[in-house]
Amino acid sequence: QSALTQPPSASGSPGQSVTISCTGTSSDVGGYNYVSWYQQHPGKAPKLMIYEVSKRPSGVPDRFSGSKSGNTASLTVSGLQAEDEADYYCSSYAGSNNPYVFGTGTKVTVL
Amino acid sequence: QVQLQESGPGLVKPSETLSLTCTVSGGSISSYYWSWIRQPPGKGLEWIGYIYYSGSTNYNPSLKSRVTISVDTSKNQFSLKLSSVTAADTAVYYCARDGITIFGVVIIDWYFDLWGRGTLVTVSS
Repeated sequence: QSALTQPPSASGSPGQSVTISCTGTSSDVGGYNYVSWYQQHPGKAPKLMIYEVSKRPSGVPDRFSGSKSGNTASLTVSGLQAEDEADYYCSSYAGSNNPYVFGTGTKVTVL
Repeated sequence: QVQLQESGPGLVKPSETLSLTCTVSGGSISSYYWSWIRQPPGKGLEWIGYIYYSGSTNYNPSLKSRVTISVDTSKNQFSLKLSSVTAADTAVYYCARDGITIFGVVIIDWYFDLWGRGTLVTVSS
């Protein structure tokens, strides 16, 4: 099972929006509505930001939103803030044999 | 609130077995699935495997021949053993809780809603 493809980097100024893509196949992203997104600050554990494509856990700001079209999922961060600067990873269910596949990760920089 | 804490040796010799334990505090290990995930320095995340509190497991096929995950409900802990390690197994190892929905039965929802802080394991002689 190959890793999902994310752009290595993305950036935006405070207050702007940034969108990160996560491209897989019909065997993972395109086949199930089980895409999740994680935020990871340097030296810290990942934190769940979005699950089941577009659902936000309690406590996650509504500036974070998720969507999916075909084999590509996206995470949008609106109203960028300095604390949003981090690495972001997507993950998708990929079938019972190897259920979890992660994306390659995207470093978001707030300019 | 529920917290996870990894523990175990930070240095393992090549060809030996890496052993880590995750202690669940502030809540019960029952009714949930629990995963191990690793991240080599400067690289991305890799799922290793999960265990249900009852003991059923599922492993990443790329690691399956070397991985054993077990659970001790009396201690609220689950553990990872990875045999025949090489330098490629050097990574931060995280334990995590899998998201679930309970509709009479437990349904795994394929995301991780709670993570431990992680522990760096270096494979070196």
